[in-house]
Amino acid sequence: GAVVSQHPSWVICKSGTSVKIECRSLDFQATTMFWYRQFPKQSLMLMATSNEGSKATYEQGVEKDKFLINHASLTLSTLTVTSAHPEDSSFYICSARTGVRGNQPQHFGDGTRLSIL
Amino acid sequence: GESVGLHLPTLSVQEGDNSIINCAYSNSASDYFIWYKQESGKGPQFIIDIRSNMDKRQGQRVTVLLNKTVKHLSLQIAATQPGDSAVYFCAENSGYSTLTFGKGTMLLVSP
Repeated sequence: GAVVSQHPSWVICKSGTSVKIECRSLDFQATTMFWYRQFPKQSLMLMATSNEGSKATYEQGVEKDKFLINHASLTLSTLTVTSAHPEDSSFYICSARTGVRGNQPQHFGDGTRLSIL
Repeated sequence: GESVGLHLPTLSVQEGDNSIINCAYSNSASDYFIWYKQESGKGPQFIIDIRSNMDKRQGQRVTVLLNKTVKHLSLQIAATQPGDSAVYFCAENSGYSTLTFGKGTMLLVSP
């Protein structure tokens, strides 16, 4: 149980392209979803938190116009990297949780490796 | 032995040994803790969690110990196997409904 699917698993595109990443909870309803960014050999850095049907809450330093998040249903959240540039290249990971309280586990997708040329 | 690399501490063990991975957390108000395992190129996988009203919890081959006095969390893996090789992260919920992740420890298991 608690399976989270993330798609695509990797993408390579030209600078200036917008890229959309999907995160789906397959066997549970995800009231809250999270988007993280991870650099090689480093920990996960939270980018934003989204609750179904409301606007995402972005962490300090994360540009909301650059990283558009939509959480339109209890099983789907999307992250769109707009006008991507090489510095946006990274490993992006989503997670999902059934409730809004923090004392419940988050379940993670397998990440999307984004490479901008 | 344990060594500290440029970014990621590494613990090297022999197959069959018991492994202990340590984590110091920062917020005394944190009430919930999780250990995750991350294999190369994949997302973190839930291993075990513990709430602050407990000091020990056991799973299959894993045990988590919580010492609130010194704000320390540990993950013990019994009879470590090569498939246990991965990066292990501790995470804490400090009351803001999000998790704060530790820096991670790489576990290398030699056959």
